[in-house]
Amino acid sequence: QKEVEQNSGPLSVPEGAIASLNCTYSDRGSQSFFWYRQYSGKSPELIMSIYSNGDKEDGRFTAQLNKASQYVSLLIRDSQPSDSATYLCAVRNSGGYQKVTFGIGTKLQVIP
Amino acid sequence: GAVVSQHPSWVICKSGTSVKIECRSLDFQATTMFWYRQFPKQSLMLMATSNEGSKATYEQGVEKDKFLINHASLTLSTLTVTSAHPEDSSFYICSASPGLVGEQYFGPGTRLTVT
Repeated sequence: QKEVEQNSGPLSVPEGAIASLNCTYSDRGSQSFFWYRQYSGKSPELIMSIYSNGDKEDGRFTAQLNKASQYVSLLIRDSQPSDSATYLCAVRNSGGYQKVTFGIGTKLQVIP
Repeated sequence: GAVVSQHPSWVICKSGTSVKIECRSLDFQATTMFWYRQFPKQSLMLMATSNEGSKATYEQGVEKDKFLINHASLTLSTLTVTSAHPEDSSFYICSASPGLVGEQYFGPGTRLTVT
């Protein structure tokens, strides 16, 4: 079973703080990693993708990947109440079958 | 870019009837499309994966005769829920992938209520 694990939360942070969302995965051969945001009652929206070790920044979002530790994270700087949502970590499995496994998601609450 | 539409956005049907949901990639060709189901406060559950021109691959426990999937072109996939029952009521979401590195773009979802 190729798994993606996330803490379901909720993770509560004050407005303006840095929110840190973490994800571990079991398939050591995975090459593609994604973060999706899902507001309540809506479908997921792709916000970040990362493919190589290190950091990738996009605006207030930074994705971090450590393949040796099988760990990927998402940092949200200057958190806003509008960032309150569930954040899904997704990992593309190794091998020829193009399947992406989603974690259960971490619910983030940004407190004004 | 990378827009996926889904139609209808919501549907109410009577038990025993069939419902068809369409998923279209509007500005890219999708080599692979996925169908998910999500119950309230639960995570996404992958139902099936479809590639254009071939049969869909269903996840374990998903009845292929009940959930018919057709991927007729590189921009259109349909899911038909046959003989719907109240327990089929859920949020159905499709996604499409250009097939490059595995990124998926989601449609807005279809909320199905079976009475």
